[in-house]
Amino acid sequence: DAKTTQPTSMDCAEGRAANLPCNHSTISGNEYVYWYRQIHSQGPQYIIHGLKNNETNEMASLIITEDRKSSTLILPHATLRDTAVYYCIVRASSNTGKLIFGQGTTLQVKP
Amino acid sequence: NAGVMQNPRHLVRRRGQEARLRCSPMKGHSHVYWYRQLPEEGLKFMVYLQKENIIDESGMPKERFSAEFPKEGPSILRIQQVVRGDSAAYFCASSRFGQGTSPPEQYFGPGTRLTVT
Repeated sequence: DAKTTQPTSMDCAEGRAANLPCNHSTISGNEYVYWYRQIHSQGPQYIIHGLKNNETNEMASLIITEDRKSSTLILPHATLRDTAVYYCIVRASSNTGKLIFGQGTTLQVKP
Repeated sequence: NAGVMQNPRHLVRRRGQEARLRCSPMKGHSHVYWYRQLPEEGLKFMVYLQKENIIDESGMPKERFSAEFPKEGPSILRIQQVVRGDSAAYFCASSRFGQGTSPPEQYFGPGTRLTVT
């Protein structure tokens, strides 16, 4: 699975959109981009995943660049409860096993 | 639809005792994964199981740790002769069988916090 790079931390004002970037410049054609988050001390929570098209669900939107070398997770209206560590993980389509968590981005939503 | 369940949520053991952590996957899920999070550190994969089979145990310490997922009942992570360094949060995740083109997403339980005194 390709390596990912994320900023260590970010701040966002409550009610504003939170845009979390992820770089995965070595991603290959059969690798998907997954996003999880971990709110303090809780189990990680699946957010969204995509291959090359932009994706949206009830939690977030995922924008993947045309060359697939980077992506952005968008929380459209961040709330205080969105304060968490966000992990961007690249997984091959053949990888039905382990998730490899990096350091992630600590998002602090401020009132 | 109940999520992934883990018990106990908190477990205290003295050095040398055994710890047994249980995980019940989501309904319809046949794959179970265990992860460990040491204090102030990231999540590390330990083991991946399907019913009655260990698929990948590349993250398991070589000694004292074992895992099983029997045909009936929850998955068990067993730590024998615990030491202080085993104190951590242990998370279980489950997923469905991957039938599509993308790897199935994993859903995590609330974790078991093990404290070794």
